[in-house]
Amino acid sequence: NAGVTQTPKFQVLKTGQSMTLQCAQDMNHEYMSWYRQDPGMGLRLIHYSVGAGITDQGEVPNGYNVSRSTTEDFPLRLLSAAPSQTSVYFCASSPGGNYGYTFGSGTRLTVV
Amino acid sequence: GQQLNQSPQSMFIQEGEDVSMNCTSSSIFNTWLWYKQDPGEGPVLLIALYKAGELTSNGRLTAQFGITRKDSFLNISASIPSDVGIYFCAGQRTYKYIFGTGTRLKVLA
Repeated sequence: NAGVTQTPKFQVLKTGQSMTLQCAQDMNHEYMSWYRQDPGMGLRLIHYSVGAGITDQGEVPNGYNVSRSTTEDFPLRLLSAAPSQTSVYFCASSPGGNYGYTFGSGTRLTVV
Repeated sequence: GQQLNQSPQSMFIQEGEDVSMNCTSSSIFNTWLWYKQDPGEGPVLLIALYKAGELTSNGRLTAQFGITRKDSFLNISASIPSDVGIYFCAGQRTYKYIFGTGTRLKVLA
């Protein structure tokens, strides 16, 4: 099994550009989440989903959109990139309950 | 947004030493998790705790779910160089996991 797959691994954007970070999991997990990791800030929850068609905001949702049309995929869209969105982004999935999350290897995004 | 406070933020230790770190919150959690992140990788689950007062081990790692349900502790015994990395605690409330700020561990051989 591949687990949680994130693409791309690295990306450089210009301010104002839009893009989509891809996330796919092959474990049939119901729960999926996006986190961003900044130095000294740990992992902060952007958006999460508890099943196909159901999404909700986390702690830092501004500037990001998500949708969940299938169980497998949970893309994160940056609408108009800003330098403050320079970060490492992690997608994670969980079977639900209290089993914890399995993380992808991350996307390192730089906005110039 | 709420984050969990971890301490210490970073630590240098000698190989073979024991390590202790903790995680505190102003809110109660139903589940506590501890993760380790190696450089350039995503966090990997080490230990999960489900009940107040619970003590759980995974090899040289031992974690405890605080009695107040607002804190958790992780101990690493006889540290080795591959223990280097960032350790995160996470608390679960309903559908969400809230992560701590991390403890960066560096082991000196």
